[in-house]
Amino acid sequence: EAGVTQSPTHLIKTRGQQVTLRCSPISGHTSVYWYQQALGLGLQFLLWYDEGEERNRGNFPPRFSGRQFPNYSSELNVNALELEDSALYLCASSLEDRGQGTDTQYFGPGTRLTVL
Amino acid sequence: GDSVTQMEGPVTLSEEAFLTINCTYTATGYPSLFWYVQYPGEGLQLLLKATKADDKGSNKGFEATYRKETTSFHLEKGSVQVSDSAVYFCALGGNTGKLIFGQGTTLQVKP
Repeated sequence: EAGVTQSPTHLIKTRGQQVTLRCSPISGHTSVYWYQQALGLGLQFLLWYDEGEERNRGNFPPRFSGRQFPNYSSELNVNALELEDSALYLCASSLEDRGQGTDTQYFGPGTRLTVL
Repeated sequence: GDSVTQMEGPVTLSEEAFLTINCTYTATGYPSLFWYVQYPGEGLQLLLKATKADDKGSNKGFEATYRKETTSFHLEKGSVQVSDSAVYFCALGGNTGKLIFGQGTTLQVKP
């Protein structure tokens, strides 16, 4: 069974640009989560999508946004990139039982974003 | 709010040594607890989990027991290998969809 996949693997952008990261969950999983792993800041929760709806959002500015498609894949968009957005962006998926948010999350390999 | 605290790293051990990585948590309610491992240049892999008090999670020789009375979920392995060298994250999950991670502990195992 294929795991969570993310694309692209690496990305280099300049300040002020916009970027879109993509995630495909494990087959049968309906929830997708996004996390940022920045150097020195650890793993920070960004967003949770379930059945196409945004269920929860971490403490990030509105220029971080996303969506979930009917096939449960997801995109993370970051507008007006800043240097401190340089990080590994991890996507995870889970089976979601009635939207409880309690199921085990399985992670993809991540997208490494560098902002120059 | 909820939080997770892990022991500071890096931890350096010789092959076949005993490993303990301490993890304590603060939470309201009854969270699930997880250990994830991250190898260089990769994403996170689930190592083990426990969903209620006194549960023991185990996988690949690693074990951790959910201790509500001491709010702990320490990771142990009886005999580490060079291939266990990685960063280990303790995490707490509730019904918000958000996993709260500790700061990570780097383990280096020398032959």
